[in-house]
Amino acid sequence: SQKIEQNSEALNIQEGKTATLTCNYTNYSPAYLQWYRQDPGRGPVFLLLIRENEKEKRKERLKVTFDTTLKQSLFHITASQPADSATYLCALSLGTGANNLFFGTGTRLTVIP
Amino acid sequence: GAVVSQHPSRVICKSGTSVKIECRSLDFQATTMFWYRQFPKQSLMLMATSNEGSKATYEQGVEKDKFLINHASLTLSTLTVTSAHPEDSSFYICSAFGTSWNQETQYFGPGTRLLVL
Repeated sequence: SQKIEQNSEALNIQEGKTATLTCNYTNYSPAYLQWYRQDPGRGPVFLLLIRENEKEKRKERLKVTFDTTLKQSLFHITASQPADSATYLCALSLGTGANNLFFGTGTRLTVIP
Repeated sequence: GAVVSQHPSRVICKSGTSVKIECRSLDFQATTMFWYRQFPKQSLMLMATSNEGSKATYEQGVEKDKFLINHASLTLSTLTVTSAHPEDSSFYICSAFGTSWNQETQYFGPGTRLLVL
């Protein structure tokens, strides 16, 4: 069966450290992998997209890697801040934005001051 | 850019009534809109996909006669939950995709919390 697993439901880290979140998938061949941030009671906010032929992408303090052999993506937040506390969702799609997104269950990150 | 709004943000209704939720793309034309449902501590589950001017495509297990979707214009889609029951209580989120904006991803609305008593 198809699964998208985010390795931990919750992750607590100290302010200033690097947070690393993991997304593993089985029985998918995604063309794109995306990361979203979701705050309580709000809709997801798009952060980064990485294509199947890309290994790494960066945006400010965020970095995403994509290993199609391992079927895994890592999401890093460097120099973490309390404001980074939120739930982070990975999502797979088989094509461009008009295609369905398949979401993982999310990792709730708490950055401790 | 790429702002998507939803109205209402929160609604409480009695069992058996119908509720309409609006999703608008404010600064781009949305050729495709998606409706998701999210139960507490669970991920987003796609309910249906709608393209402007055509009938929505529903995911398996989603009753099309219960969840009516209309995408009559390039900036507005509506989801009507008909004869709502307590088990329909959930967080409903829409997203929009438009060829005139970032063609690689969808942009999400802020969500609508539905509570059916």
